[in-house]
Amino acid sequence: KQEVTQIPAALSVPEGENLVLNCSFTDSAIYNLQWFRQDPGKGLTSLLLIQSSQREQTSGRLNASLDKSSGRSTLYIAASQPGDSATYLCAVRGTASKLTFGTGTRLQVTL
Amino acid sequence: EAGVAQSPRYKIIEKRQSVAFWCNPISGHATLYWYQQILGQGPKLLIQFQNNGVVDDSQLPKDRFSAERLKGVDSTLKIQPAKLEDSAVYLCASRGTSAFRTDTQYFGPGTRLTVL
Repeated sequence: KQEVTQIPAALSVPEGENLVLNCSFTDSAIYNLQWFRQDPGKGLTSLLLIQSSQREQTSGRLNASLDKSSGRSTLYIAASQPGDSATYLCAVRGTASKLTFGTGTRLQVTL
Repeated sequence: EAGVAQSPRYKIIEKRQSVAFWCNPISGHATLYWYQQILGQGPKLLIQFQNNGVVDDSQLPKDRFSAERLKGVDSTLKIQPAKLEDSAVYLCASRGTSAFRTDTQYFGPGTRLTVL
């Protein structure tokens, strides 16, 4: 059974700082890995999707890496802004197209 | 394109009562998912539909939860009777088959259920 863990559970940083969120998974037989953002009272928004054959994806200030063999992914956020405050969820997709989510990292970017 | 619509947004009921949630996926999306997200946890898949057929309902508590997707479009999720531990946000998501985003699920805003 796939298990996904995210560290840290919560993080508070001052504006402008670069930061890294971590995700680990137990079964390396994945199809892809996805990072989502969740704002309070809202659904999930997909940020980056990395196929199992890829090592990283970039979108603006966001960069996600994937090391499938070690079961790890990181989400790097450059020059953080207060608008980045949200919960970030990592999810892996197995061969059965089912997504398994981590418990999330709650990020607070302060002025 | 319009996003995934869900209603109601909030629902408060007493234990042992029944409740139903509705989801309208993005037009043309064949795959529809229902997730349960308990406070402080990640979403957990309850059921996945492909058109109007069930693909995966292995984590659906079938003694009290039921879901249907008539005509392969809208879907309803029902809980009968509700228990305290059913308090959660119920998220609906859909997935299409575009050339560039075949694996992306699009999520609705969710329905927050409180069982008293």
